[in-house]
Amino acid sequence: TQLLEQSPQFLSIQEGENLTVYCNSSSVFSSLQWYRQEPGEGPVLLVTVVTGGEVKKLKRLTFQFGDARKDSSLHITAAQPGDTGLYLCADLTGGGNKLTFGTGTQLKVEL
Amino acid sequence: DAGITQSPRHKVTETGTPVTLRCHQTENHRYMYWYRQDPGHGLRLIHYSYGVKDTDKGEVSDGYSVSRSKTEDFLLTLESATSSQTSVYFCAISESITGTYGYTFGSGTRLTVV
Repeated sequence: TQLLEQSPQFLSIQEGENLTVYCNSSSVFSSLQWYRQEPGEGPVLLVTVVTGGEVKKLKRLTFQFGDARKDSSLHITAAQPGDTGLYLCADLTGGGNKLTFGTGTQLKVEL
Repeated sequence: DAGITQSPRHKVTETGTPVTLRCHQTENHRYMYWYRQDPGHGLRLIHYSYGVKDTDKGEVSDGYSVSRSKTEDFLLTLESATSSQTSVYFCAISESITGTYGYTFGSGTRLTVV
């Protein structure tokens, strides 16, 4: 069974700071996805990365996929309170488009 | 936004009673999923469906059953609710078996079993 470990578990920072969160897998990722979940809502897809070494940018968010496709990072530049939420990584598991999720990084950005 | 709704949003029920949660989509996506989310465990797959009357078990399926008689509806039933089933339940839909488009989630159902 694939295990996805995310770190740190909790992160509290001030507005304007930069941060990086990580996702590591016990096996090679098939198709890594990052989601953000706000309180009282379901997760929302941010990005999908497939190719080793791939880097994708989404405004102030930069997603990097490790060359060996067993790790990924999410870097946020100049964090804003609106970035507050639970960040989840997920990977396709076996067949049938089933996603396995990590336990997430809870981010709080304060004014 | 994709049309996916869950009902009810909140429910309190007594141990031993049956409970049915509903997921309804208007996107005509083939794939539908039920997850539960618990502190320390993240999101765990309960059951999923590839199409009408085509369902399969996930990693935490004990005590749960599902039905999909129409493309748009995916029902999750707790036959006899237990306190360990207190959780937040999320339904998700996907149009691609490759995962390219990711999942779209509903807003969740918070279930408390007392």
